Formats: sequence, structure tokens, C-alpha cells
Amino acid sequence: GAVVSQHPSRVICKSGTSVKIECRSLDFQATTMFWYRQFPKQSLMLMATSNEGSKATYEQGVEKDKFLINHASLTLSTLTVTSAHPEDSSFYICSASTGNGYEQYFGPGTRLTVT
Amino acid sequence: QQQVKQSPQSLIVQKGGISIINCAYENTAFDYFPWYQQFPGKGPALLIAIRPDVSEKKEGRFTISFNKSAKQFSLHIMDSQPGDSATYFCAARGTGNQFYFGTGTSLTVIP
Repeated sequence: GAVVSQHPSRVICKSGTSVKIECRSLDFQATTMFWYRQFPKQSLMLMATSNEGSKATYEQGVEKDKFLINHASLTLSTLTVTSAHPEDSSFYICSASTGNGYEQYFGPGTRLTVT
Repeated sequence: QQQVKQSPQSLIVQKGGISIINCAYENTAFDYFPWYQQFPGKGPALLIAIRPDVSEKKEGRFTISFNKSAKQFSLHIMDSQPGDSATYFCAARGTGNQFYFGTGTSLTVIP
């Protein structure tokens, strides 16, 4: 099956700093990538959808200036949490969709802790 | 507004039993219905999926039943094993390749 990687798997940062999370599709070209946030024992909350070479589409209530998304190539998307605060601590998961858009493959997630 | 409603929230099944998780939706434009399995601290993994022109799909011990008229679909796990203990999410694909997820079901299979 298609493989999606995320790096780092865990990150701890101080309040006010920025953190970048990478999402890569390893064996396929992802026309669309998604970023989700998941709180403990809760469902996935879609943050934004990004297509290669174009600006990301953010869900209502998600601050685009705080959560910067770049989809530079068909295999790489990055999420940068700027000026992180403790309330940004969460599990961030990316996913990538193949050309037909039906299958969506998830990365292993990144646990962000802001102290 | 929850686009996909999932139940139960949690489920405990004896080893060898059948686990059944149900989902319902309203948007008839949804055209693909996957189920994902998620273990703690990991990302969701695609388990099985169905399109609305099919009423049932089986892969090993996992079966999706789909009722288009009722706008409901369910996951059946036959011969449930302790290794199946995880959180299961149903989802539905809408326009723009956007997926809508259910709230999740925590399954525990006791030996």
C-alpha cells in the first residue's frame, strides 16, 4: 500500500517558537494533501487541504497565519506552527490522496508539545 | 454539524465474537466510504472501503454493509481478536476530495 511519512514523530518546543512538520508520500505522487489535528480520544479535525503548487484551503476557524502550509511538490507538504502556544499542543496528522482522490493515506502523526 | 454519525462510542467484544460499528450520513453526494483503524499514538490506516453502487464488500474478516436508501453503512469484524482492539473511524468522501470522519469507536476485544 501507499506509504506516507511524517517528521518529526515527536517534538517539544518552547512557547513562542515555530515548529515545522514534514509530510511525504514515499511511493506515489499526491495531488492533494490534508492536515488534521486530533485531540485525545477524539476524531480527526481537518485543518486544511493543499494541492501542489497552490495555496492551501483552510477550514473555518483555522488561522492561516498561524498554521502555514506549503505543498512544494507532489510528494512533500509542510505544516509550520508559528509562535506556538501550549494550546497548540496536539497530535497532528497529514494524509495524501492519490490522483483519483478516493484513497487517502495517513502519516503516522506528530505529537507536538508546547511548554 | 457532524456530517457522519458513528455509533457506538465504545464496544467490548469477546474474542471470537462479531464487532459491529454503524455509521449514518445525510449528504447523498458522498461517493466513497472508507473505514480506518487507528492504534494509540499512530495515524489511521485504511482498512476497507466501499462505493455506493455496491451493497457489501468483504476482505478477510472485515465486511462493509452499505444501505444506500437508508444512508447507512456498517463495519463487521468477524472472529474478533485482541489485536483488533483499536479505534475505528468511518468516513465519507465529499466534493473536493474532502473526507468527513465519524467520531470514532473504541473497540476492546477481551480474551
